Amino acid sequence: DMKVTQMPRYLIKRMGENVLLECGQDMSHETMYWYRQDPGLGLQLIYISYDVDSNSEGDIPKGYRVSRKKREHFSLILDSAKTNQTSVYFCASSLGGDTEVFFGKGTRLTVV
Amino acid sequence: SQLAEENLWALSVHEGESVTVNCSYKTSITALQWYRQKSGEGPAQLILIRSNEREKRNGRLRATLDTSSQSSSLSITATRCEDTAVYFCATVPNYNVLYFGSGTKLTVEP
Repeated sequence: DMKVTQMPRYLIKRMGENVLLECGQDMSHETMYWYRQDPGLGLQLIYISYDVDSNSEGDIPKGYRVSRKKREHFSLILDSAKTNQTSVYFCASSLGGDTEVFFGKGTRLTVV
Repeated sequence: SQLAEENLWALSVHEGESVTVNCSYKTSITALQWYRQKSGEGPAQLILIRSNEREKRNGRLRATLDTSSQSSSLSITATRCEDTAVYFCATVPNYNVLYFGSGTKLTVEP
């Protein structure tokens, strides 16, 4: 069963707290992504990972960092969360290149 | 993303009608993908059309690609209520990196 799993699905944090969003995939995909989605802005790429410990910044990396220690897991970390990081975060994976990208169901993060 | 953009924010049709969503992009691409996102879910790919293809079909869906005008369209025939979703085009201007438009919200009414 091809799946990208995100945990948690909903999260409320206070400004200044650290946030860890976790993502797993069962397709042995090399490439994984973190996107955020805000109303009217589509999906914006935060980070892309080409394999274990091979990560690159996307369009909006500021305020975020990532960790990929196993091919099947990709974490997004917000150190000292800010209110403007309130958003829906999507993890995704693919075989790379221009192949299909598989998305998780998203994590709705609210920073108050 | 300015690299891909749908031309309408929202569309509404009645069940059984056909509808077309259009997309324009601003750079050379290796492929263009159409995704659908239903409420509360992540996007799911509908069609991938490569830069050397002009048309691709998937059931009731038909995508076209015109690289000379840097545009693409997604047509849905015999729409159903369950086609209600946001439709995104996404381009792959660089190897591995998928850029999304801001989406067209399609509502199919009974």
